[in-house]
Amino acid sequence: EAQVTQNPRYLITVTGKKLTVTCSQNMNHEYMSWYRQDPGLGLRQIYYSMNVEVTDKGDVPEGYKVSRKEKRNFPLILESPSPNQTSLYFCASSPTLGAGTEAFFGQGTRLTVV
Amino acid sequence: QKEVEQNSGPLSVPEGAIASLNCTYSDRVSQSFFWYRQYSGKSPELIMSIYSNGDKEDGRFTAQLNKASQYVSLLIRDSQPSDSATYLCAVNRGYSTLTFGKGTMLLVSP
Repeated sequence: EAQVTQNPRYLITVTGKKLTVTCSQNMNHEYMSWYRQDPGLGLRQIYYSMNVEVTDKGDVPEGYKVSRKEKRNFPLILESPSPNQTSLYFCASSPTLGAGTEAFFGQGTRLTVV
Repeated sequence: QKEVEQNSGPLSVPEGAIASLNCTYSDRVSQSFFWYRQYSGKSPELIMSIYSNGDKEDGRFTAQLNKASQYVSLLIRDSQPSDSATYLCAVNRGYSTLTFGKGTMLLVSP
Protein backbone atom coordinates (compact mmCIF):
# COMPACT_ATOMS: atom_id res chain seq x y z
CA GLU A 1 0.00 0.00 0.00
CA ALA A 2 1.31 3.42 -1.01
CA GLN A 3 1.70 5.51 2.09
CA VAL A 4 3.57 8.08 4.14
CA THR A 5 4.33 6.83 7.64
CA GLN A 6 5.13 9.05 10.58
CA ASN A 7 6.27 8.01 14.02
CA PRO A 8 5.41 8.51 16.76
CA ARG A 9 1.74 9.46 16.44
CA TYR A 10 1.67 11.07 19.86
CA LEU A 11 4.53 12.45 21.91
CA ILE A 12 4.74 14.34 25.18
CA THR A 13 8.17 15.65 26.07
CA VAL A 14 9.86 18.22 28.27
CA THR A 15 11.45 21.47 27.26
CA GLY A 16 14.98 21.07 25.94
CA LYS A 17 14.95 17.30 25.41
CA LYS A 18 16.00 16.56 21.82
CA LEU A 19 13.54 14.55 19.78
CA THR A 20 13.15 13.19 16.28
CA VAL A 21 9.94 12.53 14.39
CA THR A 22 10.46 10.06 11.57
CA CYS A 23 8.80 10.11 8.17
CA SER A 24 9.06 7.45 5.51
CA GLN A 25 7.35 7.09 2.12
CA ASN A 26 7.23 4.00 -0.11
CA MET A 27 6.20 5.73 -3.35
CA ASN A 28 9.69 6.71 -4.57
CA HIS A 29 8.70 10.38 -4.38
CA GLU A 30 11.36 13.01 -4.90
CA TYR A 31 9.74 15.75 -2.91
CA MET A 32 9.03 15.64 0.83
CA SER A 33 8.01 18.31 3.30
CA TRP A 34 7.05 18.96 6.90
CA TYR A 35 4.12 21.07 8.05
CA ARG A 36 2.81 22.13 11.39
CA GLN A 37 -0.84 22.87 11.94
CA ASP A 38 -2.12 25.15 14.67
CA PRO A 39 -5.68 26.39 15.33
CA GLY A 40 -6.40 29.52 13.32
CA LEU A 41 -3.07 29.37 11.50
CA GLY A 42 -3.63 26.52 9.10
CA LEU A 43 -0.88 24.39 7.61
CA ARG A 44 2.50 26.07 7.65
CA GLN A 45 5.51 24.58 5.93
CA ILE A 46 8.59 24.02 8.08
CA TYR A 47 11.13 22.50 5.69
CA TYR A 48 11.07 20.75 2.36
CA SER A 49 13.39 18.57 0.33
CA MET A 50 13.49 18.29 -3.44
CA ASN A 51 15.74 15.23 -3.43
CA VAL A 52 18.44 13.43 -1.47
CA GLU A 53 20.78 15.88 0.26
CA VAL A 54 18.71 18.86 -0.98
CA THR A 55 16.70 20.65 1.70
CA ASP A 56 15.38 24.17 2.11
CA LYS A 57 13.52 26.28 4.63
CA GLY A 58 9.80 26.75 4.48
CA ASP A 59 7.80 29.45 6.20
CA VAL A 60 8.51 28.54 9.86
CA PRO A 61 11.92 26.79 10.07
CA GLU A 62 13.15 28.24 13.38
CA GLY A 63 13.84 25.57 15.99
CA TYR A 64 13.76 22.67 13.54
CA LYS A 65 16.28 20.67 11.55
CA VAL A 66 15.84 18.08 8.82
CA SER A 67 17.98 15.70 6.84
CA ARG A 68 17.48 13.72 3.65
CA LYS A 69 20.11 11.02 3.44
CA GLU A 70 17.84 8.53 1.69
CA LYS A 71 15.05 9.19 -0.76
CA ARG A 72 12.39 7.50 1.37
CA ASN A 73 13.16 9.12 4.73
CA PHE A 74 12.85 12.70 5.90
CA PRO A 75 13.14 13.02 9.70
CA LEU A 76 12.25 16.20 11.59
CA ILE A 77 14.57 17.05 14.46
CA LEU A 78 13.85 19.36 17.36
CA GLU A 79 17.20 19.95 19.05
CA SER A 80 15.78 21.84 22.03
CA PRO A 81 11.98 21.74 22.00
CA SER A 82 10.03 24.58 23.55
CA PRO A 83 6.34 24.82 24.49
CA ASN A 84 5.60 26.97 21.42
CA GLN A 85 6.45 23.93 19.29
CA THR A 86 3.44 22.10 20.69
CA SER A 87 1.48 21.38 17.54
CA LEU A 88 0.15 18.80 15.09
CA TYR A 89 2.86 17.89 12.59
CA PHE A 90 2.40 16.39 9.14
CA CYS A 91 4.90 14.95 6.75
CA ALA A 92 3.95 14.96 3.07
CA SER A 93 5.45 13.67 -0.16
CA SER A 94 4.91 14.33 -3.85
CA PRO A 95 6.23 12.61 -6.99
CA THR A 96 7.96 15.81 -7.95
CA LEU A 97 7.62 19.53 -7.43
CA GLY A 98 5.51 21.57 -9.76
CA ALA A 99 2.18 22.16 -11.38
CA GLY A 100 -0.29 19.37 -11.09
CA THR A 101 1.48 17.57 -8.28
CA GLU A 102 -0.62 16.70 -5.27
CA ALA A 103 0.74 16.10 -1.78
CA PHE A 104 0.25 12.81 0.08
CA PHE A 105 0.14 13.22 3.85
CA GLY A 106 1.23 11.05 6.73
CA GLN A 107 -1.12 10.36 9.64
CA GLY A 108 0.22 13.21 11.75
CA THR A 109 2.19 13.50 14.98
CA ARG A 110 0.66 15.34 17.90
CA LEU A 111 3.51 16.83 19.91
CA THR A 112 3.15 18.37 23.35
CA VAL A 113 6.13 20.12 24.94
CA VAL A 114 5.76 20.85 28.66
CA GLN B 1 3.70 37.12 -1.09
CA LYS B 2 1.73 34.09 -2.10
CA GLU B 3 -1.59 33.95 -0.28
CA VAL B 4 -4.60 31.71 -0.35
CA GLU B 5 -7.68 33.03 1.41
CA GLN B 6 -10.66 31.09 2.67
CA ASN B 7 -13.55 31.99 4.94
CA SER B 8 -12.94 30.11 8.19
CA GLY B 9 -16.64 29.39 8.72
CA PRO B 10 -18.25 27.39 10.04
CA LEU B 11 -20.49 27.00 7.03
CA SER B 12 -23.64 25.27 8.18
CA VAL B 13 -25.96 23.51 5.73
CA PRO B 14 -28.79 21.02 6.21
CA GLU B 15 -28.46 17.47 4.95
CA GLY B 16 -29.25 17.23 1.25
CA ALA B 17 -28.38 20.86 0.49
CA ILE B 18 -25.57 22.18 -1.69
CA ALA B 19 -22.50 23.41 0.18
CA SER B 20 -20.43 26.07 -1.56
CA LEU B 21 -16.84 26.63 -0.45
CA ASN B 22 -14.76 29.47 -1.83
CA CYS B 23 -11.08 30.29 -2.16
CA THR B 24 -9.17 33.22 -3.61
CA TYR B 25 -5.47 33.37 -4.38
CA SER B 26 -3.10 36.24 -4.94
CA ASP B 27 -0.44 34.78 -7.27
CA ARG B 28 -1.65 35.31 -10.82
CA VAL B 29 0.65 32.66 -12.29
CA SER B 30 -0.77 29.88 -10.12
CA GLN B 31 -1.36 26.81 -12.24
CA SER B 32 -2.68 23.99 -10.08
CA PHE B 33 -5.51 24.03 -7.59
CA PHE B 34 -6.49 21.40 -5.08
CA TRP B 35 -9.18 20.81 -2.52
CA TYR B 36 -8.35 18.70 0.51
CA ARG B 37 -10.75 17.44 3.16
CA GLN B 38 -9.53 17.15 6.72
CA TYR B 39 -11.45 15.54 9.55
CA SER B 40 -10.60 16.77 13.03
CA GLY B 41 -7.20 15.45 14.13
CA LYS B 42 -6.68 13.56 10.87
CA SER B 43 -4.47 14.18 7.88
CA PRO B 44 -5.66 16.09 4.81
CA GLU B 45 -6.87 13.94 1.93
CA LEU B 46 -7.18 15.09 -1.66
CA ILE B 47 -10.72 15.21 -3.03
CA MET B 48 -10.42 17.35 -6.17
CA SER B 49 -7.81 18.92 -8.41
CA ILE B 50 -8.39 21.41 -11.22
CA TYR B 51 -6.00 23.05 -13.67
CA SER B 52 -8.16 24.73 -16.34
CA ASN B 53 -10.85 27.37 -16.22
CA GLY B 54 -14.35 26.00 -15.89
CA ASP B 55 -15.96 23.18 -13.97
CA LYS B 56 -14.73 19.72 -13.09
CA GLU B 57 -17.16 17.21 -11.65
CA ASP B 58 -16.47 14.06 -9.65
CA GLY B 59 -19.52 12.43 -8.11
CA ARG B 60 -21.14 14.87 -5.69
CA PHE B 61 -18.18 17.26 -5.92
CA THR B 62 -17.68 20.02 -8.48
CA ALA B 63 -14.62 22.26 -8.55
CA GLN B 64 -14.87 25.57 -10.37
CA LEU B 65 -11.90 27.67 -11.47
CA ASN B 66 -11.85 31.25 -12.72
CA LYS B 67 -8.26 32.34 -13.28
CA ALA B 68 -9.22 35.86 -14.38
CA SER B 69 -10.90 36.44 -11.02
CA GLN B 70 -8.30 34.31 -9.16
CA TYR B 71 -11.07 32.30 -7.63
CA VAL B 72 -11.64 28.61 -7.10
CA SER B 73 -14.65 26.99 -5.47
CA LEU B 74 -15.91 23.60 -4.40
CA LEU B 75 -19.55 22.61 -4.56
CA ILE B 76 -20.80 19.60 -2.64
CA ARG B 77 -24.22 18.42 -3.76
CA ASP B 78 -26.57 16.40 -1.58
CA SER B 79 -24.44 17.20 1.48
CA GLN B 80 -24.21 14.44 4.08
CA PRO B 81 -23.30 14.65 7.78
CA SER B 82 -20.17 12.66 6.87
CA ASP B 83 -19.07 15.66 4.77
CA SER B 84 -18.65 17.67 7.98
CA ALA B 85 -14.95 18.52 7.99
CA THR B 86 -12.52 21.31 7.25
CA TYR B 87 -11.84 21.90 3.57
CA LEU B 88 -8.43 23.19 2.59
CA CYS B 89 -7.72 24.99 -0.67
CA ALA B 90 -4.17 24.59 -2.00
CA VAL B 91 -2.44 26.28 -4.90
CA ASN B 92 0.91 25.97 -6.64
CA ARG B 93 2.66 27.42 -9.65
CA GLY B 94 5.34 25.88 -11.76
CA TYR B 95 8.27 24.64 -9.79
CA SER B 96 7.06 25.62 -6.33
CA THR B 97 5.60 24.25 -3.16
CA LEU B 98 1.93 24.04 -2.37
CA THR B 99 0.44 26.99 -0.52
CA PHE B 100 -2.55 26.16 1.65
CA GLY B 101 -5.41 28.30 2.83
CA LYS B 102 -6.41 28.10 6.48
CA GLY B 103 -9.49 26.08 5.64
CA THR B 104 -13.25 26.37 5.89
CA MET B 105 -15.14 24.28 8.43
CA LEU B 106 -18.29 22.71 7.02
CA LEU B 107 -21.06 21.46 9.28
CA VAL B 108 -23.86 19.39 7.76
CA SER B 109 -26.80 18.92 10.08
CA PRO B 110 -29.11 15.85 9.80
